[in-house]
Amino acid sequence: ETGVTQTPRHLVMGMTNKKSLKCEQHLGHNAMYWYKQSAKKPLELMFVYNFKEQTENNSVPSRFSPECPNSSHLFLHLHTLQPEDSALYLCASSQDHRGYNYGYTFGSGTRLTVV
Amino acid sequence: AQKITQTQPGMFVQEKEAVTLDCTYDTSDQSYGLFWYKQPSSGEMIFLIYQGSYDEQNATEGRYSLNFQKARKSANLVISASQLGDSAMYFCAMRGVNAGGTSYGKLTFGQGTILTVHP
Repeated sequence: ETGVTQTPRHLVMGMTNKKSLKCEQHLGHNAMYWYKQSAKKPLELMFVYNFKEQTENNSVPSRFSPECPNSSHLFLHLHTLQPEDSALYLCASSQDHRGYNYGYTFGSGTRLTVV
Repeated sequence: AQKITQTQPGMFVQEKEAVTLDCTYDTSDQSYGLFWYKQPSSGEMIFLIYQGSYDEQNATEGRYSLNFQKARKSANLVISASQLGDSAMYFCAMRGVNAGGTSYGKLTFGQGTILTVHP
């Protein structure tokens, strides 16, 4: 139990499907993040939320839609994805996104395959 | 802007031996933190060790130690007495505070190093 739980662990979806990834943290953190990790590419930060407000969107295509209803839950809604969106999607949380000495706690990730 | 460079795509080590994973960084921030994470094949990112830019002593956590050389802007991870379970991808990361006192609020990661421990 890492304190950050992601579901599902694996997801296969067609390009016309709509699905959602869920992330939940039990650590009392106030910042949450979505990362994308593709094969042979560095980790890419997608979205940042602090106190459930989005503070960063790194030019992510609109087919990815985040939602943060409260500081403990973070969703990534997916629709009309492309095969190149296949990747490991990691959720993370931290105590304070403004503090450099706070590391992130990561979930186990959702391995997404778009067919 | 911040940049992390890990120049070793892959490293091999014999079980019970020590191994050093290299990390260099570039930043204009006055204050920053350096982190190492381990990612097994399962995908989870596991925090290993942290070093603050103003910390005078090198950080240690069990078999992990961080060889911090500020002037060279390097933060190498040393794993002593390697175990088979150490086989994984290792990421160096940093985050900092700029002169204006605002934080980027995000970790910048290197490309990672795949470590393989042989029996």
